[in-house]
Amino acid sequence: GAVVSQHPSRVICKSGTSVKIECRSLDFQATTMFWYRQFPKQSLMLMATSNEGSKATYEQGVEKDKFLINHASLTLSTLTVTSAHPEDSSFYICSFLQGSDQPQHFGDGTRLSIL
Amino acid sequence: AQSVTQLGSHVSVSEGALVLLRCNYSSSVPPYLFWYVQYPNQGLQLLLKYTSAATLVKGINGFEAEFKKSETSFHLTKPSAHMSDAAEYFCAVSEGTGNQFYFGTGTSLTVIP
Repeated sequence: GAVVSQHPSRVICKSGTSVKIECRSLDFQATTMFWYRQFPKQSLMLMATSNEGSKATYEQGVEKDKFLINHASLTLSTLTVTSAHPEDSSFYICSFLQGSDQPQHFGDGTRLSIL
Repeated sequence: AQSVTQLGSHVSVSEGALVLLRCNYSSSVPPYLFWYVQYPNQGLQLLLKYTSAATLVKGINGFEAEFKKSETSFHLTKPSAHMSDAAEYFCAVSEGTGNQFYFGTGTSLTVIP
């Protein structure tokens, strides 16, 4: 099946640090990418949708200047949390969409902890 | 607009018993429906999907789900629960056009030995 590599799996850093999370599809090219945030015991909250070569579309309430998304190619997308604060601590998950009638393929997530 | 409702945030079953996780959806167009499983500190793994073919869909790990348009439901079942089935399960709906998916709030499955 489709494989998505997301790393790092866990990050612990000080407040004010910027953190980059990378998401890569290993065996397919994706038309669309999604970034989600998940709080403990809750469902996934969509943060943004991006198509290769174009700017990401952010969901309401998600600060685009804080959560920078770069969809560099059909196999790579990055999420940078700029000047992270403790309230940004969460589990971040990426996913790729292989085609319009296909399921999303998820990375294993990144646990971000801001001290 | 699309949405998904998962009834029961927590379900407990005995090992070997039937697993039934409920999912109801609303959609203005024929939906694509998915069930995902999430183990602790991991991403989501696709269990099965319905994309307008057979209404009874078989997935991995012995799970299956039946699309019932009249009931707007897509419940997930497994005849006999295993300890390894303990996880969080998410139902999702999309329009199948590459638009975003809408996830339910999840159901935590506990399997009692």
